[in-house]
Amino acid sequence: DTEVTQTPKHLVMGMTNKKSLKCEQHMGHRAMYWYKQKAKKPPELMFVYSYEKLSINESVPSRFSPECPNSSLLNLHLHALQPEDSALYLCASSRGLAGGPHYEQYFGPGTRLTVT
Amino acid sequence: AQSVSQHNHHVILSEAASLELGCNYSYGGTVNLFWYVQYPGQHLQLLLKYFSGDPLVKGIKGFEAEFIKSKFSFNLRKPSVQWSDTAEYFCAGRDNTGKLIFGQGTTLQVKP
Repeated sequence: DTEVTQTPKHLVMGMTNKKSLKCEQHMGHRAMYWYKQKAKKPPELMFVYSYEKLSINESVPSRFSPECPNSSLLNLHLHALQPEDSALYLCASSRGLAGGPHYEQYFGPGTRLTVT
Repeated sequence: AQSVSQHNHHVILSEAASLELGCNYSYGGTVNLFWYVQYPGQHLQLLLKYFSGDPLVKGIKGFEAEFIKSKFSFNLRKPSVQWSDTAEYFCAGRDNTGKLIFGQGTTLQVKP
């Protein structure tokens, strides 16, 4: 099973709302990632977790708050977002952060977020 | 700084035409390179990957790529495209922290 699942598929939220995105994988991967993707653009890395610890934060605004409750789950908590935060949010996982074969990233289908 | 660039931003082909999408990387050290595809409304899927060994890499759906170290290139090829190959294609390299460095992407449109 090489599947990364994400919920919800679509989310519409106001600028004062608090919501969360969820990502799950059961491949035993120890690295998990959040990306933001605008239409026709490559994914932009936001956060990386390695062994449930935050490893990389790409200077993401604090209105985005990641959480890794266990090795299979990754959440992204959203609060006081702006309309320009509307995008496709992708989760990915890999065996680890090391290089080499079998360490490629597997992507989930994404959550399409619209901020009104 | 490490970077990956894709030459073609938008490619239009007729079915059965041959495809070659360019990708160049600009970093040294251990080279891990990937091609991902994103079909309309779908998630990123790994087409193929290069880590070491044979520079000609075979992927899924009839795609292949050739790693040419002297040219810092990793071009994607397919001998005969189909309408179903219409998608966004991303070349990516992996840096030594595990981050993927993506190219800007190429939109491929195949006309039936």
